[in-house]
Amino acid sequence: ELKVEQNPLFLSMQEGKNYTIYCNYSTTSDRLYWYRQDPGKSLESLFVLLSNGAVKQEGRLMASLDTKARLSTLHITAAVHDLSATYFCAVVSANTGNQFYFGTGTSLTVIP
Amino acid sequence: NAGVTQTPKFQVLKTGQSMTLQCAQDMNHNSMYWYRQDPGMGLRLIYYSASEGTTDKGEVPNGYNVSRLNKREFSLRLESAAPSQTSVYFCASSEGASGIYEQYFGPGTRLTVT
Repeated sequence: ELKVEQNPLFLSMQEGKNYTIYCNYSTTSDRLYWYRQDPGKSLESLFVLLSNGAVKQEGRLMASLDTKARLSTLHITAAVHDLSATYFCAVVSANTGNQFYFGTGTSLTVIP
Repeated sequence: NAGVTQTPKFQVLKTGQSMTLQCAQDMNHNSMYWYRQDPGMGLRLIYYSASEGTTDKGEVPNGYNVSRLNKREFSLRLESAAPSQTSVYFCASSEGASGIYEQYFGPGTRLTVT
């Protein structure tokens, strides 16, 4: 079974600050996804990372993947209140039947 | 183009009752999935259907059954609900099941079993 760990689980940060969410996983991965979930809503895809060294950016969010370290990061630059949500990483591996394995999520609150 | 739709949005059951959660997608996707989301545990795969006519167990299949009715529809059945099945259930679909295809999620069904 593939294990995916995110930290921190909860993050409260002030507007304008930078922070990073970490996603560690336990086996070789073929690709990694980042999702956003607003309270009471479904999951919205943010990024798909396909290979070692991949970096994707959208607005104030930037995701990267280091397959050798089995680590992905989601970096938040100059946070704004609209970024408040729960962020999930999901790992896919051929070793585990190409199923999606989700992290526990990071609940982000941006304080004005 | 509605994407992935789920019914009902909310449901309260008593222990031992049965019910079926419905899911439909209009993106002509081959693969469909059922997940449950519990606090502090992320999403866990219950069952999936790689293509029409096939279904496979995921990480937490016990207590559930599924039916891939046609390419569009994938239902999840609880034969005898238990309080441990209180959760939010998400259906998802993708072009294929190889893991290279992004999954698109429905709005969820919030189920409470008392």
